[in-house]
Amino acid sequence: NAGVTQTPKFRVLKTGQSMTLLCAQDMNHEYMYWYRQDPGMGLRLIHYSVGEGTTAKGEVPDGYNVSRLKKQNFLLGLESAAPSQTSVYFCASSSGTGAFFGQGTRLTVV
Amino acid sequence: AQSVTQLGSHVSVSEGALVLLRCNYSSSVPPYLFWYVQYPNQGLQLLLKYTSAATLVKGINGFEAEFKKSETSFHLTKPSAHMSDAAEYFCAVSDSSASKIIFGSGTRLSIRP
Repeated sequence: NAGVTQTPKFRVLKTGQSMTLLCAQDMNHEYMYWYRQDPGMGLRLIHYSVGEGTTAKGEVPDGYNVSRLKKQNFLLGLESAAPSQTSVYFCASSSGTGAFFGQGTRLTVV
Repeated sequence: AQSVTQLGSHVSVSEGALVLLRCNYSSSVPPYLFWYVQYPNQGLQLLLKYTSAATLVKGINGFEAEFKKSETSFHLTKPSAHMSDAAEYFCAVSDSSASKIIFGSGTRLSIRP
């Protein structure tokens, strides 16, 4: 049972480039989340989804877009990467009583 | 809006001593509350959760937390620290629908031999 799988695990982008982070869960969870983790700031919610075809903004949504076309997948897109988006990104899924996390994607924007 | 405040970004205790990590929450509706642990270069693992049942919640690895509505607190404790408990700990809150989970800034726990 894989749980929550994030792809890729590491990526280096140049300023202005775009990319998509993929999150896949095999637990049939309704809720999925994207967070970023920065030193001293904990995890901040970027966007989340309460079901297939739905998305909502979290605490720090600017510069990111998401899509949930299939229940098991939640994509996070950066249209034009900026150095301020250098971070570790975590995806999580939940059935409603506690979230399961992926291993993270370390993104560096130079 | 919901939020959590973790008091103390770094806590250091001796091996065998009591561990106390503090968390206060703000929520306009009855909350769900969680504690997560993160070991270096890993994702987050759920330690325990409060979902409006018993106010004293027991989790994995000997940790427990008590929900105190009057104090809006959900502090994490462990009677005797072990070296393997060294990690970062996060408190989190959501509403009863769990549609949005908001995390605190984390507390790094160090264990002295």
